[in-house]
Amino acid sequence: KQEVTQIPAALSVPEGENLVLNCSFTDSAIYNLQWFRQDPGKGLTSLLLIQSSQREQTSGRLNASLDKSSGRSTLYIAASQPGDSATYLCAVSFDSGGYQKVTFGIGTKLQVIP
Amino acid sequence: EAQVTQNPRYLITVTGKKLTVTCSQNMNHEYMSWYRQDPGLGLRQIYYSMNVEVTDKGDVPEGYKVSRKEKRNFPLILESPSPNQTSLYFCASSLDGLAYEQFFGPGTRLTVL
Repeated sequence: KQEVTQIPAALSVPEGENLVLNCSFTDSAIYNLQWFRQDPGKGLTSLLLIQSSQREQTSGRLNASLDKSSGRSTLYIAASQPGDSATYLCAVSFDSGGYQKVTFGIGTKLQVIP
Repeated sequence: EAQVTQNPRYLITVTGKKLTVTCSQNMNHEYMSWYRQDPGLGLRQIYYSMNVEVTDKGDVPEGYKVSRKEKRNFPLILESPSPNQTSLYFCASSLDGLAYEQFFGPGTRLTVL
C-alpha cells in the first residue's frame, strides 16, 4: 500500500526566506508526483508535475525534485512571500493491480510572515 | 477559460435525501475523478473514469455512485446520504489518466444532518 508523508505539518517563516517542503512515499513504482497548493476554502492549484523519469521541475520561484529510489520529493520555494501562505500537498500516482491510483499527503501548512 | 466546475458549492441536507453534485470540464479531458477531503485524512479518491461509460472504484466508494455518459460531465450521486459523508468534495480531470497533470474544481462542501 502506497503511503505518502509530508514533513513538517506546519511551517512559519519570515518573508524572504528560502524554504524546503518534504514529501516521502513508500513504493517507488510511480507514474509521477504532483505538487499542489490549497488556499483556505478553495480548490487545489497544480504547481509542478514530475514524471517518474525526471529528476526535477522548475516554475518561477518553485523547484521540485524527485528521488524515486529513496522515495522522496522536495519542493523548494525561493524568496518566500506572504502570498505563498497556503497548504502544500503532494500526490503520488501509481499502478495498483492494473488500476491507476493516487495517494495524497496530508499537507504542509505554510505561513509567510511579512 | 479552461476549468473544472462543480455545483453546488455548498449543500446542507438531511440523512436519506438523495442528492447529486455535478462536475463539468471544458478541456476535452478523458480522465475525471472524485475525491473527498477530511481533516487528518487528506484527499481520498472515491471514483474515477478513464473515458465515457468507463468508471472504476477508488479507495472510498461506499455510499456513492457515478456515471459518465458524456465526456465533459461526471456527476457524483449520493442515493441515501449519511452524516459520515459530510465532507469537502473535489472533482478533477486530466488529459488521459494519472500520467498527466490533474486539474481540480473549486470544491463542494456537503453537510448531512
